[in-house]
Amino acid sequence: GDSVTQMEGPVTLSEEAFLTINCTYTATGYPSLFWYVQYPGEGLQLLLKATKADDKGSNKGFEATYRKETTSFHLEKGSVQVSDSAVYFCALASGGSYIPTFGRGTSLIVHP
Amino acid sequence: NAGVTQTPKFRVLKTGQSMTLLCAQDMNHEYMYWYRQDPGMGLRLIHYSVGEGTTAKGEVPDGYNVSRLKKQNFLLGLESAAPSQTSVYFCASSSKTGPMNTEAFFGQGTRLTVV
Repeated sequence: GDSVTQMEGPVTLSEEAFLTINCTYTATGYPSLFWYVQYPGEGLQLLLKATKADDKGSNKGFEATYRKETTSFHLEKGSVQVSDSAVYFCALASGGSYIPTFGRGTSLIVHP
Repeated sequence: NAGVTQTPKFRVLKTGQSMTLLCAQDMNHEYMYWYRQDPGMGLRLIHYSVGEGTTAKGEVPDGYNVSRLKKQNFLLGLESAAPSQTSVYFCASSSKTGPMNTEAFFGQGTRLTVV
């Protein structure tokens, strides 16, 4: 079945540091890939997505590229801010399934 | 545009009490989901629905029941609450665009404590 593996956290960075959160997946066919962000006390919200190989999703300075050859969708940001502190979830949605598959989430803590 | 709305936002129950969590979406989505989120466990799917009048079990369905009598609403019931059901509950909905699933839209969550 489908699965998503993302790096465990917490990831602790200083402000303006470079961020990478790794995500790899297993899926049948060609899934859509997503990154969601969850701020404290809130629900998950879509951060970015990519629907086919080599697509790059981007939003709020975050980027992730759909790499079919390595089945990966790593999240990156060049310069993090304190306000980026949150939990980040990698997810996929296969065309043949009704159920999105989520990774376990990675907590990011950014210090001033 | 309200999106996905969950009620209530907070609730404290005594062991053995029952309650219903309501989820409403205004995006005409076919698919709806109930998840629970516990520390270190990520999101775990409780039940889901692929259309009005249909429901199915997810990863952790025991102790919960659901109903989807109207397309826009998805109810989660706890018949006899237990302390192990203390959690944050999220409802989500999604749809299809052609052969591909859209992203999921989440409610703000219900924080339930069972004492």
